[in-house]
Amino acid sequence: QVQLQESGPGLVKPSQTLSLTCTVSGGSISSGGYYWTWIRQHPGQGLEWIGYIYYSGSTDYNPSLKSRVSISLDTSKNQFSLKLSSVTAADTAVYYCARLLWSGDSYVDYWGQGTLVTVSS
Amino acid sequence: DIQMTQSPSSLSASVGDRVTITCRASQNINSYLNWYQQKPGKAPKLLIHTASSLQSGVPSRFRGSGSGTDFTLTISSLQPEDFATYYCQQTYSMLTYSTLTFGGGTKVEI
Repeated sequence: QVQLQESGPGLVKPSQTLSLTCTVSGGSISSGGYYWTWIRQHPGQGLEWIGYIYYSGSTDYNPSLKSRVSISLDTSKNQFSLKLSSVTAADTAVYYCARLLWSGDSYVDYWGQGTLVTVSS
Repeated sequence: DIQMTQSPSSLSASVGDRVTITCRASQNINSYLNWYQQKPGKAPKLLIHTASSLQSGVPSRFRGSGSGTDFTLTISSLQPEDFATYYCQQTYSMLTYSTLTFGGGTKVEI
């Protein structure tokens, strides 16, 4: 059973960089066919795709965040990470890490529990 | 970006009711359409993938249909545990390296 767990600060100051890590257990992030994904949800609102990374290291990001986002892999720790720079209150959200399957069919089959990040001074 | 429009945004229903939620894509997405259920304080859970494939472990009262631009999620007989918010998601954009998008959600309430 694959499990994902987000970790990182729950409070970030405006203009600073939000950094989160997702630890994957029960499966290897070096396996092909999966995109390791970050999704966020503003309080009381819908879901927003942030971006993903493939085991090869290739990435794709939401254009609305692209200038501020970076996703990376640490295969030795079976983790992937999110960095979002120059945050504002508008970045306050629950951040989810997730596994997106891509094998002809494409869907998110595993999610982390989510972590609330509040941007405030 | 491909826009996903869900309707209704909310609905009231009773246990045993048949419930239908629709999702419309702004362009043809073939069958790259998934449905998720989210309960308060929890991560979304995959119900249906590829428009009509029931995810393992999901009750058969959930059914997905459609292709192209118009899709439907039907709950044949609403159960107490089905009161939640439902989201559609298109992954057609992965073919063109563009933005994955979700619908705005449908909250199913008593």
